[in-house]
Amino acid sequence: QKEVEQNSGPLSVPEGAIASLNCTYSDRVSQSFFWYRQYSGKSPELIMSIYSNGDKEDGRFTAQLNKASQYVSLLIRDSQPSDSATYLCAVTTYSSASKIIFGSGTRLSIRP
Amino acid sequence: DAGVIQSPRHEVTEMGQEVTLRCKPISGHDYLFWYRQTMMRGLELLIYFNNNVPIDDSGMPEDRFSAKMPNASFSTLKIQPSEPRDSAVYFCASSFLAGAHEQYFGPGTRLTVT
Repeated sequence: QKEVEQNSGPLSVPEGAIASLNCTYSDRVSQSFFWYRQYSGKSPELIMSIYSNGDKEDGRFTAQLNKASQYVSLLIRDSQPSDSATYLCAVTTYSSASKIIFGSGTRLSIRP
Repeated sequence: DAGVIQSPRHEVTEMGQEVTLRCKPISGHDYLFWYRQTMMRGLELLIYFNNNVPIDDSGMPEDRFSAKMPNASFSTLKIQPSEPRDSAVYFCASSFLAGAHEQYFGPGTRLTVT
């Protein structure tokens, strides 16, 4: 089992709709969770971090964490073509809080 | 700040040659990470440093890979000898605090070994 799993996509969402990206992780005691966005040919950039159960909102983005289910998600409201990118879920491990383990990413495409 | 700087941006070399990738982290960041990204394996952590000291190199694929950080503003990743399967994008990232803090990625070096 991979430490961080994501559906590779592509996930196609119409402009203006809500895009929902999901991620599961295997280390039950992971403590920090991140969503990075990566445009094609570019480097990853952090868009959300979440550390406790529940929802965290930042503009059009909402991160949701459920530690009991080992599940973290990212919702993008009012999706725009500029949101088309690969979204990487990342988790810190119990063995080393300094290491971030990345999922393989979900490719999101927003169709006009 | 200019952000994390990597050089070269592109490198094409022949199998067996030595390759050196360079990174300048953001000033004041204590942690430096080297990643490799491929379509097949995604983004993998190779090694990371804290205050110039290598902390975890368990992700380094084999002895052909080595990394150094002689000072707080410079790090190198060396592959000797290079092989076609080393072809990937290599990213350097730095952060002020490890793990729980944002990592800032450089633009990456696209390495092609023929």
